[in-house]
Amino acid sequence: GAVVSQHPSRVICKSGTSVKIECRSLDFQATTMFWYRQFPKQSLMLMATSNEGSKATYEQGVEKDKFLINHASLTLSTLTVTSAHPEDSSFYICSARPAIKTDTQYFGPGTRLTVL
Amino acid sequence: SQQGEEDPQALSIQEGENATMNCSYKTSINNLQWYRQNSGRGLVHLILIRSNEREKHSGRLRVTLDTSKKSSSLLITASRAADTASYFCATDGIGGAQKLVFGQGTRLTINP
Repeated sequence: GAVVSQHPSRVICKSGTSVKIECRSLDFQATTMFWYRQFPKQSLMLMATSNEGSKATYEQGVEKDKFLINHASLTLSTLTVTSAHPEDSSFYICSARPAIKTDTQYFGPGTRLTVL
Repeated sequence: SQQGEEDPQALSIQEGENATMNCSYKTSINNLQWYRQNSGRGLVHLILIRSNEREKHSGRLRVTLDTSKKSSSLLITASRAADTASYFCATDGIGGAQKLVFGQGTRLTINP
């Protein structure tokens, strides 16, 4: 149980285009989902906290107009990278916290974004 | 802000030996978690230790937590080649937001 999926697993796009990444909790409901970014050989940096039915909370330094987050249901959150640039190339990972409160978050397998 | 510091940054040992990784943090925590990440993959949750716990075991893993020193250690006993990965500690601060702050990670290589 407690599986989180991400789609797509890899995406290559041209500079200036927008890319949408989906994060789904497959067998549980998640009131809160988190989006992280990881550059090569570095750690995960939290970008934003996504709560179902409300606006996302962004970490300092993360542009909310560039990284659009929508948490439309208890099993789906999406991250859209708008007007992508090569410096946005990174590994994006989501995690989901079950609606029944636990201390554990479940992580997705990640999405590798390459902007040409 | 990134508050976890891990030591060492890289560790290379022979198969069968024990591997110890350390993590230090700066603020009060609700719990501390350890994750493994194989190259280019997602995170695998290994173990969670709460702030009122001092030691926890899971299979070949042993985690300690010293809240007075704001540090934790992860010991992997009888290492195997399949243990080769990056290991991250992550702290869940007091407040209930469950925003994990990750350490810089230790790249562990097990040589056959």
